[in-house]
Amino acid sequence: DQQVKQNSPSLSVQEGRISILNCDYTNSMFDYFLWYKKYPAEGPTFLISISSIKDKNEDGRFTVFLNKSAKHLSLHIVPSQPGDSAVYFCAASVRNTGNQFYFGTGTSLTVIP
Amino acid sequence: DAGVIQSPRHEVTEMGQEVTLRCKPISGHDYLFWYRQTMMRGLELLIYFNNNVPIDDSGMPEDRFSAKMPNASFSTLKIQPSEPRDSAVYFCASSLLTEAFFGQGTRLTVV
Repeated sequence: DQQVKQNSPSLSVQEGRISILNCDYTNSMFDYFLWYKKYPAEGPTFLISISSIKDKNEDGRFTVFLNKSAKHLSLHIVPSQPGDSAVYFCAASVRNTGNQFYFGTGTSLTVIP
Repeated sequence: DAGVIQSPRHEVTEMGQEVTLRCKPISGHDYLFWYRQTMMRGLELLIYFNNNVPIDDSGMPEDRFSAKMPNASFSTLKIQPSEPRDSAVYFCASSLLTEAFFGQGTRLTVV
């Protein structure tokens, strides 16, 4: 059963505009959330994370928002660049019961020059 | 550190053959994970270890799959016998406290 869901398999955005990637989860025990970026033929690489005690975390062009009541998080990329074109995975974990990460199915982002 | 190292990068095998995937985690990391990437399920956790001990193998699809971690610097994922539906990209990842670091994956094709 998929505890972390990314309902949009793909997203296309014009260069310079905002990209918004969404993720929903079902387990209210999750207390740590991450976003990974994956290029073809490479492993996923860590992008940004957020603890459940926060509702926003920002790192340069990347901002993650967490809405615990809705069990929803989103990744905003502003401005989007062609090099951001990749598959983005969200992940969640319950840190005090081990380090098991649950991943979504991914969203393929294409930034059009 | 060179990061998580997986071998081979590509494996093509015939149905019924044994396949062994290998992983060297980042030195000092105490968690090791095996994931399988498919279109339908995304990154699916197969099994994970803490301090070389298997903690949760509920994601291993069948008894044909087995994993070992004989020491802190090496792990294997074995499929015996392999079937065409096992074709996927298999990732190994390791972590210490926060995020997991992934290897480049092994693309397995069973024909």
